[in-house]
Amino acid sequence: SAVISQKPSRDICQRGTSLTIQCQVDSQVTMMFWYRQQPGQSLTLIATANQGSEATYESGFVIDKFPISRPNLTFSTLTVSNMSPEDSSIYLCSVDPGVSYEQYFGPGTRLTVT
Amino acid sequence: KQEVTQIPAALSVPEGENLVLNCSFTDSAIYNLQWFRQDPGKGLTSLLLIQSSQREQTSGRLNASLDKSSGRSTLYIAASQPGDSATYLCAVPVSGSARQLTFGSGTQLTVLP
Repeated sequence: SAVISQKPSRDICQRGTSLTIQCQVDSQVTMMFWYRQQPGQSLTLIATANQGSEATYESGFVIDKFPISRPNLTFSTLTVSNMSPEDSSIYLCSVDPGVSYEQYFGPGTRLTVT
Repeated sequence: KQEVTQIPAALSVPEGENLVLNCSFTDSAIYNLQWFRQDPGKGLTSLLLIQSSQREQTSGRLNASLDKSSGRSTLYIAASQPGDSATYLCAVPVSGSARQLTFGSGTQLTVLP
């Protein structure tokens, strides 16, 4: 298994600003992912954070809006840029330690944009 | 494109009942299926992972089954307790992937004392 922490746990931000969310894992993992959960909805994959290369984004998500860094095998950041109220969601990172394909999730970051 | 459906969307049962949550998926060429639990405002807790070669997995009072050919999985919860109240999500890898997940919309379970 893996223990994942995220910072901040929640934030309230003004329209037009940016927020960077951190994800820290207690062990080295190859695969890290970022998901978004809009109010009352299920999870949607934003991107796969690749160590040493650019993130791979899913349809509907672009690097300019959601830049991702992955400087090493235990850490990643997701930035939500130029925020609007529609960005209000829970953002979750997850990891796949690669042994059995089982994924583990962080506690999430609850973002409210006013 | 893989699509995941969960039925029912919400379920309310008295404590002690056994219950079944359903999950269906459109692309049967999956590597695995995973069940998660989500408490309000929290992250996801992995409950069970079923590999494509398996028919079922058990953990305590939870039993998950997988029928790849029909594109279905069930999560059976025995002797439900109020602490089981949460949203239960099933997830399968997106088509052509082993790791990126697509999720169902979840079943919100309430167990009444």
